[in-house]
Amino acid sequence: GQQLNQSPQSMFIQEGEDVSMNCTSSSIFNTWLWYKQDPGEGPVLLIALYKAGELTSNGRLTAQFGITRKDSFLNISASIPSDVGIYFCAGHGSWGKLQFGAGTQVVVTP
Amino acid sequence: SAVISQKPSRDICQRGTSLTIQCQVDSQVTMMFWYRQQPGQSLTLIATANQGSEATYESGFVIDKFPISRPNLTFSTLTVSNMSPEDSSIYLCSAAGSAEANGYTFGSGTRLTVV
Repeated sequence: GQQLNQSPQSMFIQEGEDVSMNCTSSSIFNTWLWYKQDPGEGPVLLIALYKAGELTSNGRLTAQFGITRKDSFLNISASIPSDVGIYFCAGHGSWGKLQFGAGTQVVVTP
Repeated sequence: SAVISQKPSRDICQRGTSLTIQCQVDSQVTMMFWYRQQPGQSLTLIATANQGSEATYESGFVIDKFPISRPNLTFSTLTVSNMSPEDSSIYLCSAAGSAEANGYTFGSGTRLTVV
C-alpha cells in the first residue's frame, strides 16, 4: 500500500522563526492536505492542494504540491505560540480514502 | 466545508461492554469515514461508512468488532464492541462533500478509555 513519510518528527523553535516540514509518498497522489491537531481536538484542515506544482498560502502558512505528485511541504513563517500542535500531511491517490503522515510536533518557545 | 458533531466526547467503559459513537454532519456529504488515533500516533482508517449498505473495512478491522451504520447522508455511528483495554484510543469521524470540496472535515473525536 501507499507509504507516507513525514519529517521531521518534532521541531523545537523560537517564536518568530520559520518552520518547514515535508511529506513524501511512495505513490502518486492527486490531493495533498495539511492538517493541524490541538490536544483533545480533531484535525483541522489548513491547506488543500489539488494540482501538481500548486503553491498555496493561508496567512503565514504556505504549502506546495510537488511536481512529481509524490511530495508536499508546509512552511510556517514567523511562528507564534499558538502554532504549537501536531501537523499532519494527508493525501489520496483517487477520490476516497486518505493516508496520513506520522505527524510533526511543533513546539514554540518564547 | 461541513461541520461535524461527534458524541460522546469521551467515555470510560468497562471491558466487555460496547460503546456507540455518533457522528452528525450539518449538510449532506458523499463520504463518511471512521478513524482511530492511538495515543501519540497518527490516524488510521477503520472503515468507509456507506449510505444504505455495509461499511467497507480496512485491513485489520472487522464488522463484528466495529459495526458501522449510515442510515442517511448526514449521520453515522461506530460501535466498539466487546471492548478491551487495547481499544482505548481516540475515534474520529470524517466527512467529505465532493471530490474537491476543500478536503475532509473531522469531528472533535471521542476519547475512549477501557478499564
